[in-house]
Amino acid sequence: EAQVTQNPRYLITVTGKKLTVTCSQNMNHEYMSWYRQDPGLGLRQIYYSMNVEVTDKGDVPEGYKVSRKEKRNFPLILESPSPNQTSLYFCASSLGWGAYEQYFGPGTRLTVT
Amino acid sequence: DAKTTQPTSMDCAEGRAANLPCNHSTISGNEYVYWYRQIHSQGPQYIIHGLKNNETNEMASLIITEDRKSSTLILPHATLRDTAVYYCIVGGTSYGKLTFGQGTILTVHP
Repeated sequence: EAQVTQNPRYLITVTGKKLTVTCSQNMNHEYMSWYRQDPGLGLRQIYYSMNVEVTDKGDVPEGYKVSRKEKRNFPLILESPSPNQTSLYFCASSLGWGAYEQYFGPGTRLTVT
Repeated sequence: DAKTTQPTSMDCAEGRAANLPCNHSTISGNEYVYWYRQIHSQGPQYIIHGLKNNETNEMASLIITEDRKSSTLILPHATLRDTAVYYCIVGGTSYGKLTFGQGTILTVHP
């Protein structure tokens, strides 16, 4: 089954404790991205990757890092999480960055205390 | 990317067609119209997209006006499972970024 998986699905952590949210897709997609969703603000793009070793900032990249060492994986790294990063995070992938449908993962609900 | 305007909420009776409008008067010539939906807090789900011509797939139909300044998503036979937030998005040129607005909350009732 074609899918985007994220782990963990739920995470409660404390300020400053480094964490990684993994994202993996099994569709051989070139394009992957991360979004965060907050009440009243909708979904906002954090980072995107157009292919292996090619990443770039989205609209809200501060406090986040990403890497794309393999085509299928696109982890989101929070080096020093803060409470304002409490949010619902979605990973997405598509064949390319043009007019393609994007497949979204199930989401990771992160709470930073 | 062009901005879109959608009604905040709509209701539809089960089995009837749901017609969701979207205004995108500042759309540029190479921008697509996409529709996604989100059920509760699940990941958004792609529905359909188009450039100029009307499009239809197994989920829905997309009607784009000739001047491309507005469009309508049609769910031909709405079911309770179609209750969701529906997002109309214009773009496709900004490195794959989808700019989600507030969307339309569609409630399908028995």
